Amino acid sequence: GAGVSQSPRYKVAKRGQDVALRCDPISGHVSLFWYQQALGQGPEFLTYFQNEAQLDKSGLPSDRFFAERPEGSVSTLKIQRTQQEDSAVYLCASARRGSYEQYFGPGTRLTVT
Amino acid sequence: GNSVTQMEGPVTLSEEAFLTINCTYTATGYPSLFWYVQYPGEGLQLLLKATKADDKGSNKGFEATYRKETTSFHLEKGSVQVSDSAVYFCALSVGGSNYKLTFGKGTLLTVNP
Repeated sequence: GAGVSQSPRYKVAKRGQDVALRCDPISGHVSLFWYQQALGQGPEFLTYFQNEAQLDKSGLPSDRFFAERPEGSVSTLKIQRTQQEDSAVYLCASARRGSYEQYFGPGTRLTVT
Repeated sequence: GNSVTQMEGPVTLSEEAFLTINCTYTATGYPSLFWYVQYPGEGLQLLLKATKADDKGSNKGFEATYRKETTSFHLEKGSVQVSDSAVYFCALSVGGSNYKLTFGKGTLLTVNP
């Protein structure tokens, strides 16, 4: 079956623009995570959904970051008024209920100019 | 808080050499420990895991043992291949399955023929 997909794969935004990043998890996976990976660093947790419920958003760096998963499948990470420090790869991962293994998508590379 | 420290890279080895990548952690609570691997051009994938002290995770010839007394989870392989060239990330989660991962910075391994 298909893995986790993310779109777009690359996004260039001018500072101050809003962006929306999409994640399609593996069908039937109840858990969905977003991570931010800066160049040369490990991924850092942003937020976690179980079905449509956002259970943890402690990693979102500011109120410019917003995530949703309204029907418990596809998720969107929105960044308002992008800043240069938002430039990073944004990773989405999904997992089955009760499983330790998270399946990662290929990421969206965001560059803010 | 939770954190993971892994050895700085890059690491360059010849084929059939022995590999060790060190990983130590601090955690509030009892963590599960993971090694993830990112091959060139691909997404992160789980390599192995251990969920309690003294457990050994193993996969594709790689091994790591959960050492609570030294808070370590070092990755080893007896004989590396060119195809093992990748970035390796040590990670932990606290709170059971379906919970956020805390990653180290990653170690780039290059294996030459």
